[in-house]
Amino acid sequence: GAGVSQTPSNKVTEKGKYVELRCDPISGHTALYWYRQSLGQGPEFLIYFQGTGAADDSGLPNDRFFAVRPEGSVSTLKIQRTERGDSAVYLCASSFTMDTEAFFGQGTRLTVV
Amino acid sequence: GENVEQHPSTLSVQEGDSAVIKCTYSDSASNYFPWYKQELGKGPQLIIDIRSNVGEKKDQRIAVTLNKTAKHFSLHITETQPEDSAVYFCAARVMEYGNKLVFGAGTILRVKS
Repeated sequence: GAGVSQTPSNKVTEKGKYVELRCDPISGHTALYWYRQSLGQGPEFLIYFQGTGAADDSGLPNDRFFAVRPEGSVSTLKIQRTERGDSAVYLCASSFTMDTEAFFGQGTRLTVV
Repeated sequence: GENVEQHPSTLSVQEGDSAVIKCTYSDSASNYFPWYKQELGKGPQLIIDIRSNVGEKKDQRIAVTLNKTAKHFSLHITETQPEDSAVYFCAARVMEYGNKLVFGAGTILRVKS
């Protein structure tokens, strides 16, 4: 596709359940980022991939959060034992290289009830 | 780590007037400063960016200025139009911390026609 694609656009889950959020970056982009945006705030960094490897995962809030990018393209953010505080918009971005501009997807709105 | 502060939190202007949004950053190692526009239900869209070796950059009605000594940068929108109404985020990138963007809290811009 022409831009960063995230699926699903909306996800409602029950507290304690497991969820997976998918990101399809722009074709050819080697760098991929996950951010989390709470209502009325700016995006907060979660994790950054360069190729298949997580170059910086310092923003992951705890060990319930995990992300993979096995083939250096599509990435999946996985959240175990979801809590109501995990409710937010999860944004994915990609860039051609690590020092070029980042383009964001439309986000996945996660609601934990 | 890096901290980015953004002012004002809300800004109302009359159509045709100029709008200025200001950001300050804390880490002198930051070398890349993008601005994003976010409309309701969409992901952030890059509108302009500036690198630390440049003091000013313009793109039609949008300009960004950077003062490295004072560690602040500003977005200037001239001849505002109703479609400029959105939330604007500034960000700073700290390369030594793995290329992540640190965002300000955002400015809600309303252009009244």
